[in-house]
Amino acid sequence: TQLLEQSPQFLSIQEGENLTVYCNSSSVFSSLQWYRQEPGEGPVLLVTVVTGGEVKKLKRLTFQFGDARKDSSLHITAAQPGDTGLYLCAGVQGAQKLVFGQGTRLTINP
Amino acid sequence: DSGVTQTPKHLITATGQRVTLRCSPRSGDLSVYWYQQSLDQGLQFLIQYYNGEERAKGNILERFSAQQFPDLHSELNLSSLELGDSALYFCASSFRGLRGTEAFFGQGTRLTVV
Repeated sequence: TQLLEQSPQFLSIQEGENLTVYCNSSSVFSSLQWYRQEPGEGPVLLVTVVTGGEVKKLKRLTFQFGDARKDSSLHITAAQPGDTGLYLCAGVQGAQKLVFGQGTRLTINP
Repeated sequence: DSGVTQTPKHLITATGQRVTLRCSPRSGDLSVYWYQQSLDQGLQFLIQYYNGEERAKGNILERFSAQQFPDLHSELNLSSLELGDSALYFCASSFRGLRGTEAFFGQGTRLTVV
């Protein structure tokens, strides 16, 4: 059973479109992180959200942490081919453990 | 470059064998985490060490063990290897734990068991 459920698992859209990726759980996390992973590389941290309801923006990427700290979303505006990759959400449990979702594989077609 | 170094990058070995994966954390980081990433399971937390001591355990098989040495590098030992152990193994490091800090991942070791 996956503690963090990401949806969709696969997404293929055209350049310029907007998209949202969801990360849901029945558990509460002290914080939630979003990573991006390229083939053959380790995950790279994009953002950490800590407070329920928090919204963070990173250029065309908008991250939101749910009020109850159980879910999060990543919204990309005007997607570019360079946004292609595997997006992972990860919940921090206590101080020691990062629990990952299964990832969303995003493809942006030119 | 995350500053976390993992060796080797690729490893091919036979079933029943034993291998050791090595991780050097970022300079100054005291915590090391090991993760396994396979196609159907995503990233699974295996174990965490902090300043030489085991701090948290995840879905680590009894055939696997790890340790962190006084110089803070860590090794993950996998024994009696099975085909299903083929995966990417990632090491990550952070200054302390994860509360309020981020973890930096290495490039991983791709293990293929044949």
